[in-house]
Formats: sequence, C-alpha cells, structure tokens
Amino acid sequence: GAVVSQHPSRVICKSGTSVKIECRSLDFQATTMFWYRQFPKQSLMLMATSNEGSKATYEQGVEKDKFLINHASLTLSTLTVTSAHPEDSSFYICSASRTGALSYNEQFFGPGTRLTVL
Amino acid sequence: AQSVAQPEDQVNVAEGNPLTVKCTYSVSGNPYLFWYVQYPNRGLQFLLKYITGDNLVKGSYGFEAEFNKSQTSFHLKKPSALVSDSALYFCAVRDALSDYKLSFGAGTTVTVRA
Repeated sequence: GAVVSQHPSRVICKSGTSVKIECRSLDFQATTMFWYRQFPKQSLMLMATSNEGSKATYEQGVEKDKFLINHASLTLSTLTVTSAHPEDSSFYICSASRTGALSYNEQFFGPGTRLTVL
Repeated sequence: AQSVAQPEDQVNVAEGNPLTVKCTYSVSGNPYLFWYVQYPNRGLQFLLKYITGDNLVKGSYGFEAEFNKSQTSFHLKKPSALVSDSALYFCAVRDALSDYKLSFGAGTTVTVRA
C-alpha cells in the first residue's frame, strides 16, 4: 500500500508554454501533498505544501504565480509550471502524506517527473 | 528548526564489505528519522524509519539503522554490500511535534565495486 504515481514521467516543452504534472495517491487518501524540486546530484528542495481544498503554502523564494498547485481531491494534486523557461528544467517529485492514527504523517514519494524546457 | 547532515558526499566500498552511510540530525523535540534511496532518474524509495521503540531499525534490502539519541545520529548500515546498492542515499528528519515538513540531508552517493 501507500503508492504514489506521477504523470508524465518525462516531458519536453518549448519555452513559454505551460506544463501540468499530476500526482496521485493510488491506494490511500492524502490530505496533504508536497512538491519538491531536485537539481542533478543535489538534495530535494521543498517547493510547496498543498492541503486538499485549500490554497497551497509556498516556501520562501518559490513563485506561486509560476508554480500553480491545485489539490482538488484527496487523491490528486497538480503542479502547473506556467510560461516555462529553460531554468525551470529540473526533476520534480511529489509526495503524499497519509492521514489517520499512527500514520505519523509519513510521506510517500512519487517516481518523479523530468521536465526539460527547450 | 530541524536539519540533517550527511558528512560524506561519497562512500566507496567493495562488494561483500560492510557499508555505512552517516547521518546526524538536529531537532527541537523528538525526531522522526527516515532513510531513502534514489536510483538515477527515479523518485525516492523508502528504506526504513525510526519513530519510537527499539533503537535498531531494520528495513528493506538488508539495510538497518541505529538511532543514537546522545550522539543525535542515525547511521545507515548494511553488513554485506552489493553492486546493486550503488545509488544516492538521503537521510531525512522531522520533529515529531512540528508540521509535516521533512528536512533532507544533502545525500551520499554510494558506489559498490565488484
């Protein structure tokens, strides 16, 4: 159990276009989902925390108008990179936190999405 | 505030030898500690966690870690490394009383030579 999927796994787009990445918890309900960005051979940088039905909380330095996050249901969160530019090229990883007693709010990670902006 | 340090960027061992990846942490309250492994172009795979209870935690693929409160450490170990263990390893911590956020270490690249 506790499987998280991401779609697409890899996307290449032209500069100026918008890209949507989906994160789904397949076998559990996730009231909280997280979006991370990872540069090559570096650690994960938390971009934002999204709670179902409310606005996402962005980390300092992350542009909320550029990285739009929607958490419309307990199993789906989306990250839209608007007007993408080459510097947005990165590996984006989502995670989902399971609710309930003894869950310890543990995060389960998706497989990641490689975004390349030409 | 919470933070994690992985003092070694790289660890190189021969196959069959013991593997240790070091991690120290800092939290205000009690820690929840995690180890993850990442293969190239993949997401994070969970290895093991310490929440409470026994200080020695056993996880996936023969890995284990020991929680040491006095030294604020949570080193990852495997008695006999395999070439397939070559990957990037991350230690993460969360304060039990804080919000959901995890703090990750910088990662340690493990290379196991045949």
